[in-house]
Amino acid sequence: QKEVEQNSGPLSVPEGAIASLNCTYSDRGSQSFFWYRQYSGKSPELIMFIYSNGDKEDGRFTAQLNKASQYVSLLIRDSQPSDSATYLCAVNGVRGSTLGRLYFGRGTQLTVWP
Amino acid sequence: GAGVSQTPSNKVTEKGKYVELRCDPISGHTALYWYRQSLGQGPEFLIYFQGTGAADDSGLPNDRFFAVRPEGSVSTLKIQRTERGDSAVYLCASSLYPQKSPGNTIYFGEGSWLTVV
Repeated sequence: QKEVEQNSGPLSVPEGAIASLNCTYSDRGSQSFFWYRQYSGKSPELIMFIYSNGDKEDGRFTAQLNKASQYVSLLIRDSQPSDSATYLCAVNGVRGSTLGRLYFGRGTQLTVWP
Repeated sequence: GAGVSQTPSNKVTEKGKYVELRCDPISGHTALYWYRQSLGQGPEFLIYFQGTGAADDSGLPNDRFFAVRPEGSVSTLKIQRTERGDSAVYLCASSLYPQKSPGNTIYFGEGSWLTVV
């Protein structure tokens, strides 16, 4: 059973553009949502978390959450070549002992070309 | 330490051998997690420790996999009778509080790349 789905990509955008990364999740009870960035050969690095409906902004990054649609997205404004990486969406477990785990999507590979 | 530390960073072993992977979490973090990531996939949960005890080990794929955290800090993931399908990056992570705390975040180590030949 797939808990978290991400648009498959790869996504390619020019430098300075807005990159939009999308994620849907299956369990309506999920409460916390995370975006991780993973450079090739490196470990996931937390970018943002969100747990309230609406938008959350941090610098060039905006996370958007719509619990009714079970949808979370990440917008990257003024994209830079250094943003080229795989972006992983993760949601928390909601059942009993699974509260301690995160479910990850497969990731969307983003390339920002100069 | 400043971050989650994992050793070895790379391990090549022969099929059937025993392997231990070590994780030293961020100082003061009570929760520790093991994930496994195969090429092209997101991390897959294996086990979660709160203190010394395994709060959730239901992600371990079979009884060849075992993990301990005897003093509530360093953890060791043990794999017996390794198989080629065990080849992956094994990621350790830690968090200050249990993951169920809203907004509490987990931080990953650089991973141990295991190759079974």
